[in-house]
Amino acid sequence: RKEVEQDPGPFNVPEGATVAFNCTYSNSASQSFFWYRQDCRKEPKLLMSVYSSGNEDGRFTAQLNRASQYISLLIRDSKLSDSATYLCAVCRAGGTSYGKLTFGQGTILTVHP
Amino acid sequence: AAGVIQSPRHLIKEKRETATLKCYPIPRHDTVYWYQQGPGQDPQFLISFYEKMQSDKGSIPDRFSAQQFSDYHSELNMSSLELGDSALYFCASSAAGTGRIEAFFGQGTRLTVV
Repeated sequence: RKEVEQDPGPFNVPEGATVAFNCTYSNSASQSFFWYRQDCRKEPKLLMSVYSSGNEDGRFTAQLNRASQYISLLIRDSKLSDSATYLCAVCRAGGTSYGKLTFGQGTILTVHP
Repeated sequence: AAGVIQSPRHLIKEKRETATLKCYPIPRHDTVYWYQQGPGQDPQFLISFYEKMQSDKGSIPDRFSAQQFSDYHSELNMSSLELGDSALYFCASSAAGTGRIEAFFGQGTRLTVV
């Protein structure tokens, strides 16, 4: 079982739709959580850090549930340009592993007209 | 704003050859990470450096080595290349030493071994 798991999708949604992705992690030592966006054959780009209190950036909302060990990403009013692979990433606390990311396999989102 | 710079962007090598990938982190970032991403796979952590010292090691083959230099740039050296080494290699950097662990990725080097 992978340490970080995501539904690979694909999610196919019309423009303007709201779509949500979940990601579960198995290592309770995980302390920091992120969502990255990756376009085909390009580098992962940091979309959001995920905080315990939840955080919002425009149309994007991220939530963390430590008790159930999952994080979520909600995209409202989807745009064609949101089409990409969304990777969740977790990072353990402290020590020499500080900052080392473990990724989920990514969720493919396609937004169509 | 300055980003992580990787070179070369594309590299084609034959089996058993060697390759060197370079990474220039964001200025004032103290930590560099290398990741390998195969086709259809998520990025896999290879190795990291904090303040020029190796800080963590992942699934990096013994044929690969890396180092970080005094100017904080890093190089990933790959020897005895195999077909299975064909992948995207990303470098990322962060200011982990100051508590800013958000990692920013370079555009990657696409290595093709033929």
